Amino acid sequence: GAVVSQHPSRVICKSGTSVKIECRSLDFQATTMFWYRQFPKQSLMLMATSNEGSKATYEQGVEKDKFLINHASLTLSTLTVTSAHPEDSSFYICSAGDPGGEPQHFGDGTRLSIL
Amino acid sequence: AQSVTQPDIHITVSEGASLELRCNYSYGATPYLFWYVQSPGQGLQLLLKYFSGDTLVQGIKGFEAEFKRSQSSFNLRKPSVHWSDAAEYFCAVGAKGSTLGRLYFGRGTQLTVWP
Repeated sequence: GAVVSQHPSRVICKSGTSVKIECRSLDFQATTMFWYRQFPKQSLMLMATSNEGSKATYEQGVEKDKFLINHASLTLSTLTVTSAHPEDSSFYICSAGDPGGEPQHFGDGTRLSIL
Repeated sequence: AQSVTQPDIHITVSEGASLELRCNYSYGATPYLFWYVQSPGQGLQLLLKYFSGDTLVQGIKGFEAEFKRSQSSFNLRKPSVHWSDAAEYFCAVGAKGSTLGRLYFGRGTQLTVWP
């Protein structure tokens, strides 16, 4: 079964709305989670690294004030797309690493559509 | 700089035929290598991984991959493709200890299977 749960799976909302996406590790504690963005027919691009109890590390070109990341516990990281616009429409995927040594597990992704 | 190249954007094979998906990487340290599969609108599922040891690794669903250090390659193979294998395949590379570190993805190869 899934070890990383991502919610919601799909969001459709109006321009200007803020949208929160949750990523939960179900079977392990994740000090680090990753947020990726995937455009149609393209690969996954890392947006930021979410660190429990500290600030996220953003990749170059990713707006920190636009994509707010909170990693308040060892099993939950959230990505909030603030004042979303149509160009923010994309597929967002989170992943988490099991400190026990297994490779990263991915959530099922969130399809965000901004009208 | 770290990078992953999947030279084939789209591959079409007949059901029952053999398959090879190519992956080349550039990485400054000893790499951890992965193949993931993604069905439409879904997250990523790990097919197999290479950390060390035997350079021919077996994965789920009958897939295997061979690590060739001299060629910086990690090609994915399957002797007989099933219609259910149609999906997007991503090769990824990370550092040792990549459980807690970022992964670099190739752009993906779309596999179509003809009946």
